[in-house]
Amino acid sequence: DADVTQTPRNRITKTGKRIMLECSQTKGHDRMYWYRQDPGLGLRLIYYSFDVKDINKGEISDGYSVSRQAQAKFSLSLESAIPNQTALYFCATSDSRGRTDTQYFGPGTRLTVL
Amino acid sequence: GENVEQHPSTLSVQEGDSAVIKCTYSDSASNYFPWYKQELGKRPQLIIDIRSNVGEKKDQRIAVTLNKTAKHFSLHITETQPEDSAVYFCAASGTASKLTFGTGTRLQVTL
Repeated sequence: DADVTQTPRNRITKTGKRIMLECSQTKGHDRMYWYRQDPGLGLRLIYYSFDVKDINKGEISDGYSVSRQAQAKFSLSLESAIPNQTALYFCATSDSRGRTDTQYFGPGTRLTVL
Repeated sequence: GENVEQHPSTLSVQEGDSAVIKCTYSDSASNYFPWYKQELGKRPQLIIDIRSNVGEKKDQRIAVTLNKTAKHFSLHITETQPEDSAVYFCAASGTASKLTFGTGTRLQVTL
C-alpha cells in the first residue's frame, strides 16, 4: 500500500548507535503502530498512538522510544542499538472511524545491528 | 492481555488441494479477527476478516470461520494455487483496539 511509507528501507548500524526509523502516511488515519517481525515470532507490537497526543507502550517497548510529530508521521528510535534489535520493522495505520480495526502496513525497514 | 496461538507453523499442500490454518485466542472480549498474507519480502496485507457477530465469511476461494464459545477461528483456502504460497498471520482485537498476532503459518503449494 503506497499510502504508508517507511524510511530507510534498509539500515546497518553498530552497537551503541542511536537510530531513527520514520513512518509517513497519506491515508488520513489517526492511529499508528510500530511492530517488529522476527522469524517464528510473528509481529510484535512495540508502541502505538491513537492520536497526536497519545502514546502507548506495546508488549516489547524496552529499548525503544517513539514520537508522533503529526497525525501523518510516527517515528521509532533506538537510543542505543544492540544486536538483538536486528529485525524487520513495520509501521501500520488504522482509522478509528472505520468499521473495523483493520491495519495497513508500510513496506518495512530491515535493520541490522552489528 | 490477549494471547493468540496459531497452527501449524508450516503447511505443504498440492496444487488444487485445500489448506486450513487454525488460531485460538484467550480474551473473550475480542471481537475482530483479521487474516493477513505476507509474500516473501513484502508487507502483510489483509485478505479477509470477520467480526464476532458472524460465524462464517467467504470471499471466492478463501473463508474464515469463528467459534466464539471455543475461542477459535480458522482460515480455509480451497483449490490452492502456487500464488497462495506465503506466510499467513491471524490476529485478534478486543476493547483496546490493538491487534495481537499469531506466530504465522508458512504455506507452500507444490505443483
